[in-house]
Amino acid sequence: TQLLEQSPQFLSIQEGENLTVYCNSSSVFSSLQWYRQEPGEGPVLLVTVVTGGEVKKLKRLTFQFGDARKDSSLHITAAQPGDTGLYLCAGGQGAQKLVFGQGTRLTINP
Amino acid sequence: DVKVTQSSRYLVKRTGEKVFLECVQDMDHENMFWYRQDPGLGLRLIYFSYDVKMKEKGDIPEGYSVSREKKERFSLILESASTNQTSMYLCASKEGAISRVMNTEAFFGQGTRLTVV
Repeated sequence: TQLLEQSPQFLSIQEGENLTVYCNSSSVFSSLQWYRQEPGEGPVLLVTVVTGGEVKKLKRLTFQFGDARKDSSLHITAAQPGDTGLYLCAGGQGAQKLVFGQGTRLTINP
Repeated sequence: DVKVTQSSRYLVKRTGEKVFLECVQDMDHENMFWYRQDPGLGLRLIYFSYDVKMKEKGDIPEGYSVSREKKERFSLILESASTNQTSMYLCASKEGAISRVMNTEAFFGQGTRLTVV
């Protein structure tokens, strides 16, 4: 089984600060997805990156796929309380399976 | 609005009971998945199905079985529930047969929190 390691597992910062979450593996993935999960709900897709070195932006969120397609990062600029949640990275294995990291529980304090 | 619906939000069952968790999707997706989510461990794949009556073991299939008799419905069965199966169970569906679309979005249900006592 290919493994994805996320870091940090917990992060609590003040509103307005910047942060980066990392997702690393020793294996190559065909794609990398980031999901966000709120309490009592299932994860919801934020972004998919498929090309090594690819960068995608979603408002204040910037996602990057490593050149070798083994790692990814999520950077949030000027974090807001609404960004609070569990962030999960998931690596694609073929067209079907997704392998998930442990998740990063992010808390943004007003 | 696409939807994956799990039959129960909360379940409490006794050790040794047979437990059925039901999941229905309305998107005509080929692929359906059952994950369990535990703190610090993320989502771990139990079983997935890429077509009706087809199933494959995920990373932690022991103690579980599945059934997919219709395309829209994927059931997870705990043959004899044990306390270490207390967890959040998440069902997901995803487009993409082997020969077609890759890297598609997985849509999740709201989860079933199962407690085995």
